[in-house]
Amino acid sequence: DSGVTQTPKHLITATGQRVTLRCSPRSGDLSVYWYQQSLDQGLQFLIQYYNGEERAKGNILERFSAQQFPDLHSELNLSSLELGDSALYFCASSVLEQETQYFGPGTRLLVL
Amino acid sequence: DAKTTQPTSMDCAEGRAANLPCNHSTISGNEYVYWYRQIHSQGPQYIIHGLKNNETNEMASLIITEDRKSSTLILPHATLRDTAVYYCIVRVRSGSRLTFGEGTQLTVNP
Repeated sequence: DSGVTQTPKHLITATGQRVTLRCSPRSGDLSVYWYQQSLDQGLQFLIQYYNGEERAKGNILERFSAQQFPDLHSELNLSSLELGDSALYFCASSVLEQETQYFGPGTRLLVL
Repeated sequence: DAKTTQPTSMDCAEGRAANLPCNHSTISGNEYVYWYRQIHSQGPQYIIHGLKNNETNEMASLIITEDRKSSTLILPHATLRDTAVYYCIVRVRSGSRLTFGEGTQLTVNP
C-alpha cells in the first residue's frame, strides 16, 4: 500500500459524459501527478500540481482538466468523453517535486 | 530525459536471482536511474533509484556501470509475486514527469 488513494476504482460511463476522478496523496506529500495508461499508448504523464499550483503539463487533452485543493487532494475532470478515453488513470504523489513518486491503485474508466 | 532500452521479456526460476538489464547510453550527469514495476494493471510500484553508486534496499539491488550507460536491477530471490512489468526510467532529479517506456515483462516460473 503506497498510501495514495484513488476513487472510484471503476467507472463506466457513456460517450459525451463528464466524470471526476479523485486522488488523495500520501500524508505530507505536496506534489500530485496524473498519468493515463491505455492499451495503445502505455503510461503517459498528464499533469502535475505542487501545493495547489499547476507545475507541468504533458499530453493532456483540452477536454481534461485538473486541480489540487487546499487539503492537497486532487481531482481530474474528463469531459465530452470519447471511446478512446477508456484507460487506467493513475495518480502519484511525492513530498517535493524532485522526490520519488508513489502511485495509487488507479481508476479504471470505461467509456461505452 | 534520456531514452532507455530494455528487453521485452525475461523468464526466471522461482528462488533464483532475476537480473534485469537496462541501457541508457545517452544519460546525462544529473540524471538518475529509477526502477518501477507494475503488477497486472495495479499502480506502478517504486523499487529503487540511483545516480552512480550501487544501491540496495529491501526489495532489490541496483548496479550502475562506471560509465553510467547501463544498469542492472537484481531481485536476489525471485518469487511468483515478482512477476510484473519492470520499467527502467532515467530522470533528472528536478524534473516532474516520469517517462515510461515499454518495460520488461518478467515472468517468474515455479
